[in-house]
Amino acid sequence: DSGVTQTPKHLITATGQRVTLRCSPRSGDLSVYWYQQSLDQGLQFLIQYYNGEERAKGNILERFSAQQFPDLHSELNLSSLELGDSALYFCASSVSPSGRGEQYFGPGTRLTVT
Amino acid sequence: GESVGLHLPTLSVQEGDNSIINCAYSNSASDYFIWYKQESGKGPQFIIDIRSNMDKRQGQRVTVLLNKTVKHLSLQIAATQPGDSAVYFCAETPSGGTSYGKLTFGQGTILTVHP
Repeated sequence: DSGVTQTPKHLITATGQRVTLRCSPRSGDLSVYWYQQSLDQGLQFLIQYYNGEERAKGNILERFSAQQFPDLHSELNLSSLELGDSALYFCASSVSPSGRGEQYFGPGTRLTVT
Repeated sequence: GESVGLHLPTLSVQEGDNSIINCAYSNSASDYFIWYKQESGKGPQFIIDIRSNMDKRQGQRVTVLLNKTVKHLSLQIAATQPGDSAVYFCAETPSGGTSYGKLTFGQGTILTVHP
């Protein structure tokens, strides 16, 4: 158990809909990262927040947004969903603000868009 | 057109053998590298990292080698065990610029350890 929790574990929704994925980092970790893992693209970095502020941005679509709240939990919002958005979404956390060093990954949320 | 899934390289070894997993990277500005292990149904798990000012780093039963000349990274696992069966990813990040802090992951290698 990494100490990072993600909810829900599974999510099935229809095209065009909007969903919110939630992540609680390990106690004491200020950085939260979001990743997408799909069969086509592999594991891709989406975005990082550090202590409530956006720190680094990767290949995140404009339809996707994220935020980190004062209690350090984070949410990833996916809107206007398309079939291609079906993937595993991982959240990770770390102490470091730099993206380097060990990141602790949660168990993931499996999103299926039908 | 129809999307095609990634075809991951595979490595099959016998229990007790040493395993070597290779990774090529393309960004000459990358100065930090990391290996993750992902077991079926789980999130990736950190194994070991290395900075570009080093050629080799050792952990418990694992060694990472970095050859910056040919932009190649390898992970050696000694005395491989069935519990080592997983997908192994290398990742890199550059020292600065707009990509600082963004890990770029390789496609992964499937390691299967036979008892």
